Amino acid sequence: DQQVKQNSPSLSVQEGRISILNCDYTNSMFDYFLWYKKYPAEGPTFLISISSIKDKNEDGRFTVFLNKSAKHLSLHIVPSQPGDSAVYFCAARARGSTLGRLYFGRGTQLTVWP
Amino acid sequence: NAGVTQTPKFRVLKTGQSMTLLCAQDMNHEYMYWYRQDPGMGLRLIHYSVGEGTTAKGEVPDGYNVSRLKKQNFLLGLESAAPSQTSVYFCASSWAINQPQHFGDGTRLSIL
Repeated sequence: DQQVKQNSPSLSVQEGRISILNCDYTNSMFDYFLWYKKYPAEGPTFLISISSIKDKNEDGRFTVFLNKSAKHLSLHIVPSQPGDSAVYFCAARARGSTLGRLYFGRGTQLTVWP
Repeated sequence: NAGVTQTPKFRVLKTGQSMTLLCAQDMNHEYMYWYRQDPGMGLRLIHYSVGEGTTAKGEVPDGYNVSRLKKQNFLLGLESAAPSQTSVYFCASSWAINQPQHFGDGTRLSIL
């Protein structure tokens, strides 16, 4: 039972344009969301996070939007660069978790072409 | 700054063999986690530890055991390897539950 869903396995975007990666969740207890980026043969690297008390968080070219009523979040990358080509994982943590357990989506492969 | 280091990076085992995967972190983190990643799947939690001497089961613990004898090390053991355990294993750590987890580069394990 996938509680965090990334329904697009892949996304292809031209360099300089906006990349929008989407994530949906089903568990209303989730209150903290993260995006990780993963290159081949490397571990996931933390990119950006957002708490459920916010609806937007920015860090340079990366912005995460959270729509709690729709149980949806998205990661925007502007402008996209070839080095952004990687697999992006959405993850969530439940409110009151004493263990910090994260639930991961299956990932979206982003390809940014010149 | 090493961060989270996993050894070995690759290993091929035969069915029924045993082995231990080592995870070491130099960030003085309390929380440590073992995940597996299979094709087309997200990361699934195997076991975790909230401090030295403590371990607990995650989502897919069967066939694995763990130990955290030292704060910086988290070991994942396969007692009798099975082909279904062919996967990429990731270790992660964090200094608090509300902080992002930092991952190692993974161990690719194939069981024939």
